[in-house]
Amino acid sequence: QVQLVQSGSEVKKPGASVKVSCKASGYSFTRYYMHWMRQAPRQGLEWMGVIDPSGGGTTYAKQFQGRLTMTRDLSTSTVYMEVGSLRSDDSAVYYCAAYGSGIHASFDYWGQGTLVTVSS
Amino acid sequence: EIVLTQSPATLSLSPGERVTLSCTASQSVSMYLAWYQQKVGQAPRLVIYDASNRATGIPARFSGSGSGTDFTLTITSLEPEDFAVYYCQQRSNWPYTFGQGTKLQIK
Repeated sequence: QVQLVQSGSEVKKPGASVKVSCKASGYSFTRYYMHWMRQAPRQGLEWMGVIDPSGGGTTYAKQFQGRLTMTRDLSTSTVYMEVGSLRSDDSAVYYCAAYGSGIHASFDYWGQGTLVTVSS
Repeated sequence: EIVLTQSPATLSLSPGERVTLSCTASQSVSMYLAWYQQKVGQAPRLVIYDASNRATGIPARFSGSGSGTDFTLTITSLEPEDFAVYYCQQRSNWPYTFGQGTKLQIK
């Protein structure tokens, strides 16, 4: 079955970086783009960006450009999301999600979420 | 960036009632709108994709409609497990923005 398994919770100090992993299984890794979202406590969902696992191309939301990096490792079917220059308002649950488009639009799977806490 | 506005923010209803949630886009997203259900402590779950298609395993009491800028999600007879927060998301243009959510709570 399709699974996206994310790395565990992180506690970071302001100014540091955090790297979250998302390991995919149960489907062809390069077939579907991987998106990252985050959700601050008691807030809504925020789309951060997307990576094409096939070619590695990325698109980031404007508010994250310059401090967000997404990469992938084809050998392990894993996508990574790194946020730098962390601030307290980056504290959130971070989710990866693979979803399709067109005739594959029903393909939609999410990781379990990774809690990132930024605190001095 | 396309802004999605959901209304209302909160709805208090009883099981068995019918409910319609609204999502309005700041510009046309064609049919590329999805609805998600999220319960506390869980990842979002796809309910509707491409405006009107039910996702796998979603009961027939859920239906979506709309195109362009105006969309609705209807639940014909609320079950206890339907009480949650619902988000719309446009998948027309990056960034794939979300609405702010509508919370369905038990009256």
